[in-house]
Amino acid sequence: DAGVTQSPTHLIKTRGQQVTLRCSPKSGHDTVSWYQQALGQGPQFIFQYYEEEERQRGNFPDRFSGHQFPNYSSELNVNALLLGDSALYLCASSLGRVDYGYTFGSGTRLTVV
Amino acid sequence: GNSVTQMEGPVTLSEEAFLTINCTYTATGYPSLFWYVQYPGEGLQLLLKATKADDKGSNKGFEATYRKETTSFHLEKGSVQVSDSAVYFCALLGMDSSYKLIFGSGTRLLVRP
Repeated sequence: DAGVTQSPTHLIKTRGQQVTLRCSPKSGHDTVSWYQQALGQGPQFIFQYYEEEERQRGNFPDRFSGHQFPNYSSELNVNALLLGDSALYLCASSLGRVDYGYTFGSGTRLTVV
Repeated sequence: GNSVTQMEGPVTLSEEAFLTINCTYTATGYPSLFWYVQYPGEGLQLLLKATKADDKGSNKGFEATYRKETTSFHLEKGSVQVSDSAVYFCALLGMDSSYKLIFGSGTRLLVRP
């Protein structure tokens, strides 16, 4: 049973560019959340998608946007990249509310130069 | 608001030593509490959880007890192995309408042979 799959694993972008990260949730999961993990820090919540709608959003600017598709997969888009956007981006899936814990992917390492 | 505070690392131990990583939280009501582990170059894996006061979560020799009176969820293991070397994150899920996990800053554990 495949877990959460993220692509690409690594990415290098230039300041001002746009990037799209992709996530396929664990089989049977319908909810996808995105987290940003800066080096040496704990993950920070970006937003969560359920039934193709953004259910909740963390303290991130509008440059960060997302989408969920009918098959529950999801994309994270970041526009006008800043150096400070360099981080590990983690996708986590769950079935509804997350009392049993998310299943995390291995992440996409984004470097902005 | 909700928050999690972890002891700073790194924590360096010899193999078979006893491990304690402290975690305290601030939250209204009775949040669910989690410990996640992150091995080098990987995403987060759920280690254990507790959803109500006095619950004890356990997995792979690790244990943590949900202490409402001290708002703590300390991680313990009686005898660590070199393979336990990783970063450990304490996290909470609030009882409000929030769907986001709130993480501590992580504690790096290094176990020497």
